[in-house]
Amino acid sequence: AQSVTQLDSQVPVFEEAPVELRCNYSSSVSVYLFWYVQYPNQGLQLLLKYLSGSTLVKGINGFEAEFNKSQTSFHLRKPSVHISDTAEYFCAVSYRGTSYGKLTFGQGTILTVHP
Amino acid sequence: DSGVTQTPKHLITATGQRVTLRCSPRSGDLSVYWYQQSLDQGLQFLIQYYNGEERAKGNILERFSAQQFPDLHSELNLSSLELGDSALYFCASSVEGRPGNTIYFGEGSWLTVV
Repeated sequence: AQSVTQLDSQVPVFEEAPVELRCNYSSSVSVYLFWYVQYPNQGLQLLLKYLSGSTLVKGINGFEAEFNKSQTSFHLRKPSVHISDTAEYFCAVSYRGTSYGKLTFGQGTILTVHP
Repeated sequence: DSGVTQTPKHLITATGQRVTLRCSPRSGDLSVYWYQQSLDQGLQFLIQYYNGEERAKGNILERFSAQQFPDLHSELNLSSLELGDSALYFCASSVEGRPGNTIYFGEGSWLTVV
């Protein structure tokens, strides 16, 4: 079965602290990996994606993620969070070698940044 | 602003009714996707079109149907609505509809069935 698991449903953190949002995937085929952010009452916005090459991917708003093939993980990190980072974050995959680009999403992680 | 436009933004309707959600993709994008977001199911892929043709189908109920028109806009039709169909419906688009393409999401259409 192919799936995406976000290991934490909620992550509270204080402003200026580092944060890591965890994502693991299970797939019988190679995947492309994505992180999206959803602010309240808005659509999803791409933070970053991994297609190939360097396993450390940098995205917008100071976020980065590292692809680990052996652990089938793609964890999202930020060294110092801001109040404005409060949102829900989704990890997603699409499947290489297929003709469709649909994304399979994890259940989401709500990041709450406290002052 | 992603460039993907969805209408209406909010919709309240009664059980048993039918509604149509409309989507205009980003300029230049040929592929359109529909997703349903609910608290219990999360983000579920419904269907994908590429240049007017259905490319992939997900967890779309038989009461739901979609199409992509020659001008590339898309409509999602939901019929015989049930309370459980209340959700946020997203339209998204990408250039070619292939794996690895960035998919851009609209702001969604909130459907409430009462």
